[in-house]
Amino acid sequence: KNEVEQSPQNLTAQEGEFITINCSYSVGISALHWLQQHPGGGIVSLFMLSSGKKKHGRLIATINIQEKHSSLHITASHPRDSAVYICAAREGSYNTDKLIFGTGTRLQVFP
Amino acid sequence: NAGVMQNPRHLVRRRGQEARLRCSPMKGHSHVYWYRQLPEEGLKFMVYLQKENIIDESGMPKERFSAEFPKEGPSILRIQQVVRGDSAAYFCASSRLAGEQYFGPGTRLTVT
Repeated sequence: KNEVEQSPQNLTAQEGEFITINCSYSVGISALHWLQQHPGGGIVSLFMLSSGKKKHGRLIATINIQEKHSSLHITASHPRDSAVYICAAREGSYNTDKLIFGTGTRLQVFP
Repeated sequence: NAGVMQNPRHLVRRRGQEARLRCSPMKGHSHVYWYRQLPEEGLKFMVYLQKENIIDESGMPKERFSAEFPKEGPSILRIQQVVRGDSAAYFCASSRLAGEQYFGPGTRLTVT
């Protein structure tokens, strides 16, 4: 059974700070997703990655397959980045393709 | 290109009634996933479907819950004889084969 753990659970930052959220998983996966959930509840897919690093604007996601670890970085954080960030391990196989979710990291960025 | 659509966005049911939640995947996506988020809890997988087939229903409660994704029309998550514990946000996501999953806005079910 795959376990997905995130840290920290809660994070506060001042505007402009560099932020890192970590995610580790216990068994092999086909890919890892980073998701953003805003207070209104909607979920936005930020990244899907299976190796290396991806960058989109101020967001960077990295994954180390050997260490079963991924990180999400936010550069020059802004109050609008305040949300819950969720990592999800994708168990892609011949008989499933489900996501196993971490518990989320609640980020608050203050001006 | 419209995203994943879910309706209704909010649904109120009395205990014992049936709830039907609909999900229309993005254009070109033939894979649909249903996830549930209980109040103050994380997201949990329920079921994975392709057109006319249930691929993985390992996350579905054994009773009262069913899902379908017919050849034509949206995917339906059906909850019979709802109880208060069914109150949650239900999200569907869609993808191409092995592609990125895109989430709908969710249906918030309240059982009174």
